[in-house]
Amino acid sequence: DSGVTQTPKHLITATGQRVTLRCSPRSGDLSVYWYQQSLDQGLQFLIQYYNGEERAKGNILERFSAQQFPDLHSELNLSSLELGDSALYFCASSAGTVYNEQFFGPGTRLTVL
Amino acid sequence: DQQVKQNSPSLSVQEGRISILNCDYTNSMFDYFLWYKKYPAEGPTFLISISSIKDKNEDGRFTVFLNKSAKHLSLHIVPSQPGDSAVYFCAASAGETSGSRLTFGEGTQLTVNP
Repeated sequence: DSGVTQTPKHLITATGQRVTLRCSPRSGDLSVYWYQQSLDQGLQFLIQYYNGEERAKGNILERFSAQQFPDLHSELNLSSLELGDSALYFCASSAGTVYNEQFFGPGTRLTVL
Repeated sequence: DQQVKQNSPSLSVQEGRISILNCDYTNSMFDYFLWYKKYPAEGPTFLISISSIKDKNEDGRFTVFLNKSAKHLSLHIVPSQPGDSAVYFCAASAGETSGSRLTFGEGTQLTVNP
């Protein structure tokens, strides 16, 4: 158990809908990262927050947004969903911002029908 | 542009022998490297890391070697155990340059046969 929790574990929705994925980092970790794992793209970095502030951005679509709250939990919002958004979404956390191991949650499997 | 590559999709070894997983990278800004193990339906689990100022790091049965001139790293598992069977991902970050985002390889499926 990495100490990172993600809810829900599975999510099935329809095209055009909006969903919110939730992540609670390990106790004491200030950085939260979101990654997407799809069949053809592997694990891809989406976005990083550190202590409530956006720190780094990857190839995150404009339809996707995230935030980190004062209690350090984070939410990833996916809107206008398309079939191609079906993937595993992982949250990871680390103590700092650089040269730190990232610890991953169990993931949320999103299926868009 | 695949900046981190694991050229072997799969590797099969006998229990008790050495497993060697390889990883190549192209981005010379990468200065911190990690290996993760992943079981189906679970998130990646951190195994071991190495900074670019070192060429070797050891933790129990796991040793990571870094050859900066060749832009190559490898993970050695000795002795291999059936419970090591999983997908292994190599990952790299560029420290301050990119806020420690990880760039992952495609993964290598390791199977350890009893």
